[in-house]
Amino acid sequence: GAVVSQHPSRVICKSGTSVKIECRSLDFQATTMFWYRQFPKQSLMLMATSNEGSKATYEQGVEKDKFLINHASLTLSTLTVTSAHPEDSSFYICSARDMKGNSPLHFGNGTRLTVT
Amino acid sequence: AQSVTQPDIHITVSEGASLELRCNYSYGATPYLFWYVQSPGQGLQLLLKYFSGDTLVQGIKGFEAEFKRSQSSFNLRKPSVHWSDAAEYFCALGSNFNKFYFGSGTKLNVKP
Repeated sequence: GAVVSQHPSRVICKSGTSVKIECRSLDFQATTMFWYRQFPKQSLMLMATSNEGSKATYEQGVEKDKFLINHASLTLSTLTVTSAHPEDSSFYICSARDMKGNSPLHFGNGTRLTVT
Repeated sequence: AQSVTQPDIHITVSEGASLELRCNYSYGATPYLFWYVQSPGQGLQLLLKYFSGDTLVQGIKGFEAEFKRSQSSFNLRKPSVHWSDAAEYFCALGSNFNKFYFGSGTKLNVKP
């Protein structure tokens, strides 16, 4: 089945630094990938929709300058958390959909970001 | 407006007992509906999906779900729960497949 690889699974960084999270579709092409944030004991909050070859579409309230998204190819999207602060600590999950026909979202295993 | 509601935040069942997790949706067109399962610290795994056709869909790990348009529901069921089924379950609605709406999740505990 379709596999989405997300890396790293865990990262700890200091306040003020930037962190890059990668999301790859391993056996299918994804023109669109999605980035979610999940707070403890809560559902997933869509942050942005990443479109291959064009700018990402951000949800209301998500700072585009803080959460930089790049979708350079049909199999790779990256989320960079810039100038991270402790309140950015969260679980970030990417997902992708096969561009062929109707298909569900396939999720990466998530990245636990801790900002100290 | 599109929305997904999972009325039960926590459910506890005994191992071997049957399970039903509720999901209601609000959507103006034919919905694409999904159930995902999430283990702690992990991403989401697709259990099953409904696009059209047979309203009773079978998924992995012995799960099934029934789409009932008249009730705007897509409840997840399993006849006999195993301890390894303890996890959090999310119902999701896909609108034109470029935006997914998730319910708040139901955490399942399984008693030995």
